[in-house]
Amino acid sequence: EVQLVESGGGLVQPGGSLRLSCAASGFTFNSYSMNWVRQAPGKRLEWISYIDGSASTTYYADSVKGRFTISRDNARTSLYLQMDSLRAEDTAVYYCARDTSSLVDCWGQGTLVIVSS
Amino acid sequence: DIQMTQSPSTLSASVGDRVTITCRASQSISARLAWYQQKPGKAPKLLIYKASTLQSGVPSRFSGSGSGTEFILTISGLQPDDFATYYCQQYSSFWTFGQGTKVEIK
Repeated sequence: EVQLVESGGGLVQPGGSLRLSCAASGFTFNSYSMNWVRQAPGKRLEWISYIDGSASTTYYADSVKGRFTISRDNARTSLYLQMDSLRAEDTAVYYCARDTSSLVDCWGQGTLVIVSS
Repeated sequence: DIQMTQSPSTLSASVGDRVTITCRASQSISARLAWYQQKPGKAPKLLIYKASTLQSGVPSRFSGSGSGTEFILTISGLQPDDFATYYCQQYSSFWTFGQGTKVEIK
C-alpha cells in the first residue's frame, strides 16, 4: 500500500525554524518527484515546493523562496522541508504529495504548523 | 502565474441532484486540469485528471469536461458521501488550485 506520513509540525515563534519530514512506503520512492502543498485554515491549497526523483531539480513558490528548502533521502525513502524565518502566514497544514506526471495521486495525512508568539 | 477561479463558492443541494462546478483558468492550460474532493480534516482525493479522465476507483457519477480556460465538474445523482469541498488544479505550469466549492446539504 502506498503511504506517506508527515511529521515535525508544531507551534513555533515568528522567525523560528522547523523541519518537516515525510516517510514514504509502498512504492519505489526514487522513481517519483515529490512536492509539498500547504493549506492555511479555511483557505485553498497552495503548492510550495517540488523536487525530482534524483534531487537534482527543485522549485519553490515565490511565497517561500529563500526561506524554505526541500530535500530528500532516497535511501531512507524520506522527503523533508526545512522551514526558516517562519511567519504567521506560514500557519497551515502541510502535505507531502507524490507527483505522477504532474498529478498528485497520493497525499499524506498532513502535519499542522502554527506560527505564533 | 496561472490563477484558477471556481464558482460557486458554496452550493446547496439534495441527494439525487445533478450539480455542476465551474473552474476558469487565467490563461489556456489545454486539458491540464484535475479535480479533487476534500473532506474536513482529510487530505484531498484525486477524482479527475486531464480534464475528463476518471481516476481509477472513482464512481462514474463524477465527470469532467472542458479545455483551454473553462472547465466543468458534474456530479450526476449526488450521494451522501459526496458532500465535501471540491478543488480544481492546473498542472500546466507548476500547480495552482481554485478556491474550492463546498457542496452542502440543502
